[in-house]
Amino acid sequence: NFVLTQPHSVSESPGKTVTLSCTRSSGSIASNYVQWYQQRPGSSPTTVIYEDNKRPSGVPDRFSGSIDSSSNSASLTISGLKTEDGADYYCQSYDGSNQVFGGGTKLTVL
Amino acid sequence: EVQLVESGGGVVRPGGSLRLSCAASGFTFNHYGMNWVRQAPGKGLEWVSGINWNGGSTGYADSVKGRFTISRDNAKNSLYLQMNSLGAEDTALYYCARATSASGSYFNCGYWGQGTLVTVSS
Repeated sequence: NFVLTQPHSVSESPGKTVTLSCTRSSGSIASNYVQWYQQRPGSSPTTVIYEDNKRPSGVPDRFSGSIDSSSNSASLTISGLKTEDGADYYCQSYDGSNQVFGGGTKLTVL
Repeated sequence: EVQLVESGGGVVRPGGSLRLSCAASGFTFNHYGMNWVRQAPGKGLEWVSGINWNGGSTGYADSVKGRFTISRDNAKNSLYLQMNSLGAEDTALYYCARATSASGSYFNCGYWGQGTLVTVSS
């Protein structure tokens, strides 16, 4: 199985743009879709990006996803940051019959 | 509206067993893969197990393989997780999660329940 590595924490100011990374340790990042989940304190996770770059209905277009084969990583970009975007963000992918989650990034907006 | 309601959590002694259930509503259950994902206190998400739409394909994390069994009853719109030989490392909030799209596979988690807490302690 592979590992998805995310930075432990990121801070940015309201109104700015932040990009969260997710690097796959082995195998191609492009070979299996990547999802991104947001988890606010005390709440269940919700999907903000699925299948690399698709947004579920209700997720603002400030959220976008991409993959980069050269760095074997996926990225979640949040533009026009709002304080409510402060949360834990997890990337997730799969291989064979198993899913894999990244360790999560705590995003602080202040 | 998609609803996933977990139940069956509680306090169990090391070496004990527990069966979790997830009642699904608001969608055609037998069109979707389903998963169990857990989160230990203060820790990140860990995928536990997944099952495709008809139960013909399942997957398990290495940490639970041979101890946990996932199953589903499409007639009852329900998902289950039988957990045996529980240890302190299994203490966590267990989420039931539905796949994003009706492809039948379980390779992502589009919708999540509120979770049921499992505590393994003597």
